[in-house]
Amino acid sequence: GESVGLHLPTLSVQEGDNSIINCAYSNSASDYFIWYKQESGKGPQFIIDIRSNMDKRQGQRVTVLLNKTVKHLSLQIAATQPGDSAVYFCAETGGATNKLIFGTGTLLAVQP
Amino acid sequence: EAGVTQSPTHLIKTRGQQATLRCSPISGHTSVYWYQQALGLGLQFLLWYDEGEERNRGNFPPRFSGRQFPNYSSELNVNALELEDSALYLCASSLRSLAGGITDTQYFGPGTRLTVL
Repeated sequence: GESVGLHLPTLSVQEGDNSIINCAYSNSASDYFIWYKQESGKGPQFIIDIRSNMDKRQGQRVTVLLNKTVKHLSLQIAATQPGDSAVYFCAETGGATNKLIFGTGTLLAVQP
Repeated sequence: EAGVTQSPTHLIKTRGQQATLRCSPISGHTSVYWYQQALGLGLQFLLWYDEGEERNRGNFPPRFSGRQFPNYSSELNVNALELEDSALYLCASSLRSLAGGITDTQYFGPGTRLTVL
């Protein structure tokens, strides 16, 4: 079936360190990938996206890497801050369905 | 600019009742999506509406239905509520799908927490 999986359910990092959250996707036809951040009691917040014609995209303190060969997606957060503590979801979609397929999420815990 | 809004914030129903959840998209967005986030599970796609039409549906029974109004707002209706319908229901919106099936970014609202007793 369709699935997007996360390798690590919980990631604990020290404030100021870099964080890397990984995601595997199964649908080779997916051409659009998004990372969302969800804080407790809130809806998912868009962080960064990447289309399949790119390998890397950078935002402010965040970088997304896409490896289509092994169907792997990662989110890198530089100089992690306490405000980055949240659950991070990767999502994929492709074609005309517009349906986002989400992973189960990774909890990022930033230690002061 | 206002984001996606949803109402109510919380909704408590008993088994067998019906629930109606509402969503207003970001101004200028014509597509509305509904997702279910049950405890311990990821977000599951429910429905996609664009220009008043249902465009795609997830693996949910027919008692989950909805509609989109001319102003692009949307309702999600859940009939004959079951205990396992308890979840956070999230609405997202995006610009109209681009030519060639290229997906535009979906932005989420805060959700409606539905509790079925």
